[in-house]
Amino acid sequence: GESVGLHLPTLSVQEGDNSIINCAYSNSASDYFIWYKQESGKGPQFIIDIRSNMDKRQGQRVTVLLNKTVKHLSLQIAATQPGDSAVYFCAETREGSQGNLIFGKGTKLSVKP
Amino acid sequence: KAGVTQTPRYLIKTRGQQVTLSCSPISGHRSVSWYQQTPGQGLQFLFEYFSETQRNKGNFPGRFSGRQFSNSRSEMNVSTLELGDSALYLCASSFNREREAFFGQGTRLTVV
Repeated sequence: GESVGLHLPTLSVQEGDNSIINCAYSNSASDYFIWYKQESGKGPQFIIDIRSNMDKRQGQRVTVLLNKTVKHLSLQIAATQPGDSAVYFCAETREGSQGNLIFGKGTKLSVKP
Repeated sequence: KAGVTQTPRYLIKTRGQQVTLSCSPISGHRSVSWYQQTPGQGLQFLFEYFSETQRNKGNFPGRFSGRQFSNSRSEMNVSTLELGDSALYLCASSFNREREAFFGQGTRLTVV
């Protein structure tokens, strides 16, 4: 498969454990944030989003937390499964820059069976 | 509903040549954005089209260009290819420019 980053931070977890992936974003004017999952050889897959007027949003097995004070975003994955192994990217955008997502460098999640 | 389709999946070109990549968005989506992904720079925004007009542009040289057709399909063109243009080129579409964007599989371009 393709390498999407030679020196990505790596998070290794045991199957069934919870995972927390962190992201620091750059622009205090950003008002919309998305987490993407990218598996080897595939394009990024939308996981969950959150707008700046929220602190927390939950999906199926995933939760995104937003701390605007310190410009920090996190993705929590409950009961991590081998199929969750991938590179995870956070992305930010703001009003007036629709369609222009600014991506973080990514974190590689490795799930041990 | 079919997802975002990019063609071709793989391309090998020689320095100095030009290349055209194609993207068919999800049916009904009118916004198409292009990104370049490399191991060193990660995912970087190239440009966005909506209703056949370029709405936003990233920091890439003029050798990178694009267009969008009336059916929302988009193409991007890279002229005078350089070795550093080798990358995965990704297209994302969204409905009416809201931010939930869906990506295609990408086109892997190798310049030799």
